[in-house]
Amino acid sequence: EVQLVESGGGLVKPGGSLRLSCAASGFSFSNAWMSWVRQAPGKGLEWVGRIKTKTDGETTDHAAPVRGRFGISRDDSKNTLYLEMNSLKTEDTALYYCTTDRRYDILTGYYYYGMDIWGQGTTVTVSS
Amino acid sequence: QSVLTQPPSASGTPGQRVIISCSGSSSNIGNNYVYWYQQVPGTAPKLLIYRNNQRPSGVPDRFSGSKSGTSASLSVSGLRSEDEADYYCAAWDDSLSGRVFGGGTKLTVL
Repeated sequence: EVQLVESGGGLVKPGGSLRLSCAASGFSFSNAWMSWVRQAPGKGLEWVGRIKTKTDGETTDHAAPVRGRFGISRDDSKNTLYLEMNSLKTEDTALYYCTTDRRYDILTGYYYYGMDIWGQGTTVTVSS
Repeated sequence: QSVLTQPPSASGTPGQRVIISCSGSSSNIGNNYVYWYQQVPGTAPKLLIYRNNQRPSGVPDRFSGSKSGTSASLSVSGLRSEDEADYYCAAWDDSLSGRVFGGGTKLTVL
């Protein structure tokens, strides 16, 4: 079964840190660009950042509001994506989704474009 | 304020066709692909349209996407009650070096 499972969310004080994880299964994780997308309570979707595959240099891009505070990394040996969050602010409170951004299926030889696989999300609450 | 502009709401009766617009600029929609996502409240978003007008496997052909210049639109025909959800457009923005979403459109089936 194709699946993404986020974990690591919780309550943290302003200025604190948190690391989110996203475990992937059922697809070729090492051939997938991965993104984090968040959704504040009652608000719309906001892209947080993305990491490309090792083949594509494992380069990262981050949204302006989190640049310099958040870092995305991946461990292909563990099929896991990470989001390291530092200097957290109250406005970072949101449900954080892990999602594929673009992936290559080695069995079919097809590329899948767009965020086609999503996790269920993990909640981060920044409050004193 | 979202970089991509969508109407906050849209509505239609069962069987009707509804069109949701998404307006951007040359740095995003004008120069990059547009994607559309459907989110039923309380659930994760679902990819509806990729690369302007392509449907992933399993998405009904009642959903279609188009793009012209710096604007895009999502058409939902043969409206059904289960189409009631929030719809988001998205594109890469070259100036921001990041992906941007529209503010979302809440579709109500009357």
